Amino acid sequence: DTGVSQNPRHKITKRGQNVTFRCDPISEHNRLYWYRQTLGQGPEFLTYFQNEAQLEKSRLLSDRFSAERPKGSFSTLEIQRTEQGDSAMYLCASRSTGTLTDTQYFGPGTRLTVL
Amino acid sequence: RKEVEQDPGPFNVPEGATVAFNCTYSNSASQSFFWYRQDCRKEPKLLMSVYSSGNEDGRFTAQLNRASQYISLLIRDSKLSDSATYLCVVIEWEEYGNKLVFGAGTILRVKS
Repeated sequence: DTGVSQNPRHKITKRGQNVTFRCDPISEHNRLYWYRQTLGQGPEFLTYFQNEAQLEKSRLLSDRFSAERPKGSFSTLEIQRTEQGDSAMYLCASRSTGTLTDTQYFGPGTRLTVL
Repeated sequence: RKEVEQDPGPFNVPEGATVAFNCTYSNSASQSFFWYRQDCRKEPKLLMSVYSSGNEDGRFTAQLNRASQYISLLIRDSKLSDSATYLCVVIEWEEYGNKLVFGAGTILRVKS
């Protein structure tokens, strides 16, 4: 257990529905990242926050995706009008910029299945 | 061309064998490199960082060749518990910080 938690761990939804995932990073970590992983692939970067500021978004993040980190602590990732292609594992990671290491610590992920 | 490329395997080896994985990266400006391990349906976990001088952690040795832009991982005396997917990771430095770029992973199966 890295100390990063994600909820829910599994989500099954019907196409067209909206879903929201939550990530609670390690408490002293100011950087928070979202990744998506599909079967047989490595995780792909989606977006990241430094404190409450969203500093970068991948081109993978269509306008149906939105992420927030309102108080610089937990973050939410919302997918609107889900499509079957959104089925994947959504991983959250965090790190502190106050250390010399680039190590990111991953949460257990939320596995999304869109029917 | 993918930014980070790995042989997907699977590598099927007997217990006690030595196995090596390679990974190539396309961005010559990349500065930091890692190997992560991922068990089935679990999150990736840092295995080790990769330094230019090479580094060793028990049965695991990582090497970096900047000129050829490849990274290697050597596992000696393989254990059943080493069975997992090994992800090669490169840090991409952006204006506001960095992000991890993952390879697709190499599957290792150690059999008794």
